[in-house]
Amino acid sequence: DSGVTQTPKHLITATGQRVTLRCSPRSGDLSVYWYQQSLDQGLQFLIQYYNGEERAKGNILERFSAQQFPDLHSELNLSSLELGDSALYFCASRGLAGTEADTQYFGPGTRLTVL
Amino acid sequence: AQSVAQPEDQVNVAEGNPLTVKCTYSVSGNPYLFWYVQYPNRGLQFLLKYITGDNLVKGSYGFEAEFNKSQTSFHLKKPSALVSDSALYFCAVRAPSSGSARQLTFGSGTQLTVLP
Repeated sequence: DSGVTQTPKHLITATGQRVTLRCSPRSGDLSVYWYQQSLDQGLQFLIQYYNGEERAKGNILERFSAQQFPDLHSELNLSSLELGDSALYFCASRGLAGTEADTQYFGPGTRLTVL
Repeated sequence: AQSVAQPEDQVNVAEGNPLTVKCTYSVSGNPYLFWYVQYPNRGLQFLLKYITGDNLVKGSYGFEAEFNKSQTSFHLKKPSALVSDSALYFCAVRAPSSGSARQLTFGSGTQLTVLP
């Protein structure tokens, strides 16, 4: 168990809908990363937050957005869903110092199925 | 831009035999290199990393990896494979110049199957 939690585990929805994925980082970690894992694209970085501020954007669609709250949990919002958005969405948090610095610890993921 | 190549989609090895999962990278500057493992319906689990220092890095579950700067490789190895090692393995890299973001770029993954 990495200490990173994600909810829900599974999400089934229809095209055109909007969903919210939630992530809680490990205790003490300030950084949260979101990744998408799909069969055709592999593992791709979406976006990163550090202590409430957006720090980097990767291959994130305009229909997707995220935020990090004062308690450091993060939410990834996916709107106008398309069939191709079906994927595993992972959250990771990064250690601050010592041997854990620079290491990202991943949550169990949320499997999104768009029908 | 940084990139990672895992040239083998699938590696099969007999239990008890040594295993190697290959990874090559491309990045500006000295790389930060990582190996993760993913079991079915599970998240990615950190195995080991190379930041600096000794080229041979030891990690969890008896795995180790060798950093080779001249060949830009970071192959994952284990002296004696177990059936329970069967999983999907990902190599990842980040550039030291990526600032505070430090996002990882992953390879396409290698499915390791250890045969009893």
